[in-house]
Amino acid sequence: EEQLLESGGGLVQPGGSLRLSCEASGFTFAKYGFIWVRQAPGKGLEWISDITSSGISTHYADSVKGRFTISRDNSKSTIYMHMNSLRAEDTAVYYCAKDRGHGMDVWGQGTTVTVSS
Amino acid sequence: DIQMTQSPSTLSASVRDRVTITCRASQSISNSLAWYQHKPGKAPKLLIYGASNLESGVSSRFSGGGSGTEFTLTISGLQPDDSATYYCHQYKSYHTFGQGTRLEIK
Repeated sequence: EEQLLESGGGLVQPGGSLRLSCEASGFTFAKYGFIWVRQAPGKGLEWISDITSSGISTHYADSVKGRFTISRDNSKSTIYMHMNSLRAEDTAVYYCAKDRGHGMDVWGQGTTVTVSS
Repeated sequence: DIQMTQSPSTLSASVRDRVTITCRASQSISNSLAWYQHKPGKAPKLLIYGASNLESGVSSRFSGGGSGTEFTLTISGLQPDDSATYYCHQYKSYHTFGQGTRLEIK
């Protein structure tokens, strides 16, 4: 069964940092790109970043550009999101998803990030 | 950036009804559009990809249509389990989600 499992969420103070992880299983990790999507309380889904299968190309939404960095480790079948200079508006459930090229067919259950003093 | 405008934002319908949700792109995205079902506390579920292709394992009560800038998701024979929020998603240029449509089954 194809699965993604996020971890690393938690409570962090404004201006702090956090690293999210997304571990994949059940499919050939290196063949696929991945995206991170978040959902703030009471809001809809927001794409924040993506990374290609090679890891060479990455993209970011304006809301996180310069503060968040996506990366991957194919040897560990894991995607990461390094989050710096966190703000209250970054409070959300963060999901990773597998990019099949035409839609995201596998999603994790999400990890919650709360930015508060 | 491509903007996606989804309507309506909320929808209330009865069991066995048919409903249609619309998504409009700010520029042509060909057929690079997917639809997802999202329930609270769960992972989003891919329903439709390529605007009109039914994802494997998804009920045939779900169907998608459109191309270019106008797209629809139709759910026929509504069931109580269809209560969820539905999102469109363009993947032609980076990624953008619609604002979501919350579907309530009366």
